[in-house]
Amino acid sequence: DAGITQSPRYKITETGRQVTLMCHQTWSHSYMFWYRQDLGHGLRLIYYSAAADITDKGEVPDGYVVSRSKTENFPLTLESATRSQTSVYFCASSREVGTDTQYFGPGTRLTVL
Amino acid sequence: KQEVTQIPAALSVPEGENLVLNCSFTDSAIYNLQWFRQDPGKGLTSLLLIQSSQREQTSGRLNASLDKSSGRSTLYIAASQPGDSATYLCAVNDYKLSFGAGTTVTVRA
Repeated sequence: DAGITQSPRYKITETGRQVTLMCHQTWSHSYMFWYRQDLGHGLRLIYYSAAADITDKGEVPDGYVVSRSKTENFPLTLESATRSQTSVYFCASSREVGTDTQYFGPGTRLTVL
Repeated sequence: KQEVTQIPAALSVPEGENLVLNCSFTDSAIYNLQWFRQDPGKGLTSLLLIQSSQREQTSGRLNASLDKSSGRSTLYIAASQPGDSATYLCAVNDYKLSFGAGTTVTVRA
């Protein structure tokens, strides 16, 4: 039972490059989420998805793009990376949004030079 | 906008002492409140989930209470152990999770 996985675990890129962070879950959960964690800001929601082909913005969506063509995958793309996007990114999933806990992946540490 | 505050930001106790971690939130219209544990460089592990209709939830040495009317939750960890050292995060679910900044706990052997 792999659960929820993220790749890569570590990534270094340069300003202006496009970067895609991958998230995969094996539970067929309907809901998937992307968060970023920064010192001084805690965890903040970037985007979430209620089902395949349904996505919505969270608190800090600017500069990010998501897609969800399959239930199990929820990639996050930084279209043109900036230094302010240096962060730890967590993907999460849940069966329901109102009653179920969210299960988190191990995170991707992204550094933008 | 939901604001979640955790006090204290850090806590250091000797092994065996009980831990009390506090969480407050501004909007009581929530589905549930969750407590997570995060170890350094790791992801989040769910500890307890309290539905909005519940007053408390227990799992082993952990007990969490919820008072929606006052916008407060407390996580109690009984008889702390060095392995309890971690950052504890509370998150309020009003469709989206809003997290507090966390309480970093150190249990001294």
